[in-house]
Amino acid sequence: SQQGEEDPQALSIQEGENATMNCSYKTSINNLQWYRQNSGRGLVHLILIRSNEREKHSGRLRVTLDTSKKSSSLLITASRAADTASYFCALLPKTSYDKVIFGPGTSLSVIP
Amino acid sequence: DVKVTQSSRYLVKRTGEKVFLECVQDMDHENMFWYRQDPGLGLRLIYFSYDVKMKEKGDIPEGYSVSREKKERFSLILESASTNQTSMYLCASSDPRIQGRTEAFFGQGTRLTVV
Repeated sequence: SQQGEEDPQALSIQEGENATMNCSYKTSINNLQWYRQNSGRGLVHLILIRSNEREKHSGRLRVTLDTSKKSSSLLITASRAADTASYFCALLPKTSYDKVIFGPGTSLSVIP
Repeated sequence: DVKVTQSSRYLVKRTGEKVFLECVQDMDHENMFWYRQDPGLGLRLIYFSYDVKMKEKGDIPEGYSVSREKKERFSLILESASTNQTSMYLCASSDPRIQGRTEAFFGQGTRLTVV
């Protein structure tokens, strides 16, 4: 399967703590993306990192990519209760120019 | 503001019915996708369209067909609904002309229950 695998499947933290989610994959990629989904809603794009990039920041989000280990991490700093959601990594494999492949997701709960 | 609109948030259909799920995007995107989402399985691609009247099968196309007669509209058709097609269905679009981007914009989802 070309799918990414997120780790952990579920994460519960206190408000103000940092949350780290990991994504491992097996195929070569053009880019890797992270999405967020609030309960019962569609997905919202958070950040995209290209295969030649190692780190990217967007507000409280920090994404790293290690193509040699085929892994990525999403760090949310100073978490808030409103960050409670599911987070998905999504791959754009080199063999599939346009089709984005999603992993099963990490469910994050931020306790006020 | 970019928008992908799915025609229904909730739908209940009977086994054997023909079901149409509609999706419209207003961003002039070339690519459109239909995914289904089930607990523990993430999003699985059903069908993908990269142009009007063009389509490609995704990972789980069995029991589904699609139609793209106009660029902005991508329809998912359940030929004969079955209970194992009860799921959340998500439509998305993206624009491959933006080099290196390919971020997908999603609709709100349609929760389909087949009884």
